[in-house]
Amino acid sequence: ETGVTQTPRHLVMGMTNKKSLKCEQHLGHNAMYWYKQSAKKPLELMFVYNFKEQTENNSVPSRFSPECPNSSHLFLHLHTLQPEDSALYLCASSQAGQREYYGYTFGSGTRLTVV
Amino acid sequence: QKEVEQNSGPLSVPEGAIASLNCTYSDRVSQSFFWYRQYSGKSPELIMSIYSNGDKEDGRFTAQLNKASQYVSLLIRDSQPSDSATYLCAVFGNEKLTFGTGTRLTIIP
Repeated sequence: ETGVTQTPRHLVMGMTNKKSLKCEQHLGHNAMYWYKQSAKKPLELMFVYNFKEQTENNSVPSRFSPECPNSSHLFLHLHTLQPEDSALYLCASSQAGQREYYGYTFGSGTRLTVV
Repeated sequence: QKEVEQNSGPLSVPEGAIASLNCTYSDRVSQSFFWYRQYSGKSPELIMSIYSNGDKEDGRFTAQLNKASQYVSLLIRDSQPSDSATYLCAVFGNEKLTFGTGTRLTIIP
């Protein structure tokens, strides 16, 4: 495996379900991010983890709960979602201290549909 | 005012011509600037970065930065159908990367 991998690629869930998105990076990076991408909107930063510690929560509703057990893995736990949460959820990673030079590397995303 | 602004397009360019994509940003302390390409249903892929005023060339791509005007652009020379995608401008500042909404580019054979 190389780069940033996300599973599942597609997810359909009901508003009362609980599910989790998984992200794994194989780049030796130490910062990881969750972004939400909705149609006709810019990528929205949700959470930032640096060295496994959450350093930013961009006013995300509590129905989204991130978890970062180590620098290579990132999860997004979902519960009691709303239809407007349907979007592409992208995980990204970078090397803290170098991100202004190299940007972020994105995973392939999870297309989430809430019904 | 949006932090990073792009014309959403669609921008249609004949094959072989030069495609010009523009981006403006609001935060004067922004440090570095990136262009990502995103094919439909795929993730964003970094294609260019630029930190200093002026031009930076990489193959058929040229990024241009003017910090005084808070403007960054991407030129694609000899456009190919495979260049058809959405191009996202991203600005790094205050320890985070902020994206524009993207410009959809279509190369017409």
